[in-house]
Amino acid sequence: GENVEQHPSTLSVQEGDSAVIKCTYSDSASNYFPWYKQELGKGPQLIIDIRSNVGEKKDQRIAVTLNKTAKHFSLHITETQPEDSAVYFCAAIGGTASKLTFGTGTRLQVTL
Amino acid sequence: DAGVIQSPRHEVTEMGQEVTLRCKPISGHNSLFWYRQTMMRGLELLIYFNNNVPIDDSGMPEDRFSAKMPNASFSTLKIQPSEPRDSAVYFCASSRTESFNEKLFFGSGTQLSVL
Repeated sequence: GENVEQHPSTLSVQEGDSAVIKCTYSDSASNYFPWYKQELGKGPQLIIDIRSNVGEKKDQRIAVTLNKTAKHFSLHITETQPEDSAVYFCAAIGGTASKLTFGTGTRLQVTL
Repeated sequence: DAGVIQSPRHEVTEMGQEVTLRCKPISGHNSLFWYRQTMMRGLELLIYFNNNVPIDDSGMPEDRFSAKMPNASFSTLKIQPSEPRDSAVYFCASSRTESFNEKLFFGSGTQLSVL
């Protein structure tokens, strides 16, 4: 089945700096890669996703890049703000697995 | 729409007791998922339903766990008997279609503590 690895497990940045979270996946047939943000006491919420037919997608301060050859994808947050502090999960799906597999999460702390 | 609604928000029970977690998916969504979140194992898919029919329950840890979806607007996850290792946050999620290539809408979760 699919295996998704996520790094780093914790990340601390100063307000205004950029944050990058990286994930790798094992199933070369994977074709959908969402990112979820989980705030304290809440369920995960989709913030951006990318499909295998594109290499990059942006939504305001958030962008995701996909390298199918290397089987990795990354989340980029620019001009970080305190409200960006949360746990971020990457996920992948595709091939015969057909189930969404989540990474282990990255706890992002944006300090003033 | 109020989103996915789960109850209770917190449940504290003693080992051996029956626990029932409840979920109301978003109206019009065709798929419902139950996930468990722990520090050790992260987010694990337990079971999912399409059009009220259980499709894959391979993630259900043991026979002590069971899930039902009697209609399109209600699902339960039952643990009987409960054990301390079942302590976790249980999330219900729903999506519009049967495909996993679709946005999942998560509820706020049920924090279960089994003493």
